[in-house]
Amino acid sequence: DTGVSQDPRHKITKRGQNVTFRCDPISEHNRLYWYRQTLGQGPEFLTYFQNEAQLEKSRLLSDRFSAERPKGSFSTLEIQRTEQGDSAMYLCASSLTGLAGAFGEQYFGPGTRLTVT
Amino acid sequence: QKEVEQDPGPLSVPEGAIVSLNCTYSNSAFQYFMWYRQYSRKGPELLMYTYSSGNKEDGRFTAQVDKSSKYISLFIRDSQPSDSATYLCAMGAKGGSSNTGKLIFGQGTTLQVKP
Repeated sequence: DTGVSQDPRHKITKRGQNVTFRCDPISEHNRLYWYRQTLGQGPEFLTYFQNEAQLEKSRLLSDRFSAERPKGSFSTLEIQRTEQGDSAMYLCASSLTGLAGAFGEQYFGPGTRLTVT
Repeated sequence: QKEVEQDPGPLSVPEGAIVSLNCTYSNSAFQYFMWYRQYSRKGPELLMYTYSSGNKEDGRFTAQVDKSSKYISLFIRDSQPSDSATYLCAMGAKGGSSNTGKLIFGQGTTLQVKP
C-alpha cells in the first residue's frame, strides 16, 4: 500500500511530557498537511509544507507545537509540555499540487490518536 | 458562525434508500468541494472532488454544488450497511500564488444504514 502512513497510531502520555508524531506522505506528493480532529468535529487545519518549506501555520498551532519536513519527504509534528486539551486525533494528508495553483486532492493517513492524562 | 455548516445527525435509513447529505457555507471564495467518508477511529477517505458548480457522478455517489446558494450535496443511491460512517464535507479556496490548499471541514454527518 503506497498511501499516507502515520506513526504511532495511538499515543498515551502524561501531562507535561513531549511527544513526536511522524507522517510519511504518498511518495510523489509535494504538499503535506497536518490537521487536528476532536471528537464529533471535522478536522481543523494546523500547518502545511510545500516540499520542505513550511508555508502556513494556523493560530491553533501554539508555540508548544513544531513541525518539520526535512528534505521534503516525511514530516514530524512535536508537541512540547503536553496539556489535556491536546488530546485529539492528529491527521496528516498529502497532495500533488502544480505551480498553476490547482487545488490537489488531499489524501489522509490513518491518524495518530493522542491521549494526555 | 462557522464557515461550513453540516448537520451532525445521526441519520438512520433502511438499506437500499437514497441518502441525501448536505452542507452550507458562507465564504464565496470556496471553489473546490470535497466529500470524505470516515469510519470510526480511521482517517478520512476521499469520495468525491468537484470544482465550481455542477454535478459529478461516481458509481452510487453523486455530488452537487450550487455556488449561487452556497449549498453542496452528496447523494448515495442504493445505500448499504457498509456505507454506515461519518461523512465530512470539505472546501477550499484558490488564492492565486498564495494558495495554501488548506481545507475547511464541516462537522460531519453520522449515517447509519440498517439492514
